[in-house]
Amino acid sequence: ELKVEQNPLFLSMQEGKNYTIYCNYSTTSDRLYWYRQDPGKSLESLFVLLSNGAVKQEGRLMASLDTKARLSTLHITAAVHDLSATYFCAVGKIGTASKLTFGTGTRLQVTL
Amino acid sequence: KAGVTQTPRYLIKTRGQQVTLSCSPISGHRSVSWYQQTPGQGLQFLFEYFSETQRNKGNFPGRFSGRQFSNSRSEMNVSTLELGDSALYLCASSLEPNQPQHFGDGTRLSIL
Repeated sequence: ELKVEQNPLFLSMQEGKNYTIYCNYSTTSDRLYWYRQDPGKSLESLFVLLSNGAVKQEGRLMASLDTKARLSTLHITAAVHDLSATYFCAVGKIGTASKLTFGTGTRLQVTL
Repeated sequence: KAGVTQTPRYLIKTRGQQVTLSCSPISGHRSVSWYQQTPGQGLQFLFEYFSETQRNKGNFPGRFSGRQFSNSRSEMNVSTLELGDSALYLCASSLEPNQPQHFGDGTRLSIL
């Protein structure tokens, strides 16, 4: 059974600081997604990572994938308040990639 | 281009009743997946439909069922509602299976 662990669960950081969210998964998988969710809202797709060593960047967020270590990271550079949200990683297993298994989510709070 | 549309947005039911939720995918998308989100269990996969056929199913009891119509619209039904069924139900669509999924705003179901 595919398990996805995400840490930390909660992250409070000051504006301007850097931090990383970690996503570990238990079995070989086809693809990894990062989503953002604002309170009461749906999931917004941030990144899709398909291969070992993949790195994608959008603004202050950068995601990477190490399939050998079964680890993905979401790095936040010089955080701003607008990044406050809950971030989820989700993994699609080979053969059933539409059946996403989600991490527990990391609630990010960026303070002034 | 319209996104994934879910109706209704909010629903209140009592134990023992049944409920039907609707999802209209993005135009041209033929794969629809459903997820349940609760504070305790997080985001969990319910099922996936493509070409009116269920391709994958999560670990939910038989009270949870779904279907897809020829125009790719999908419905999910929950019978004999229990308090634990209170959740945000999210629908996601993709062009085809195993492609990146786009999520709707969800239906928030409350069971009294």
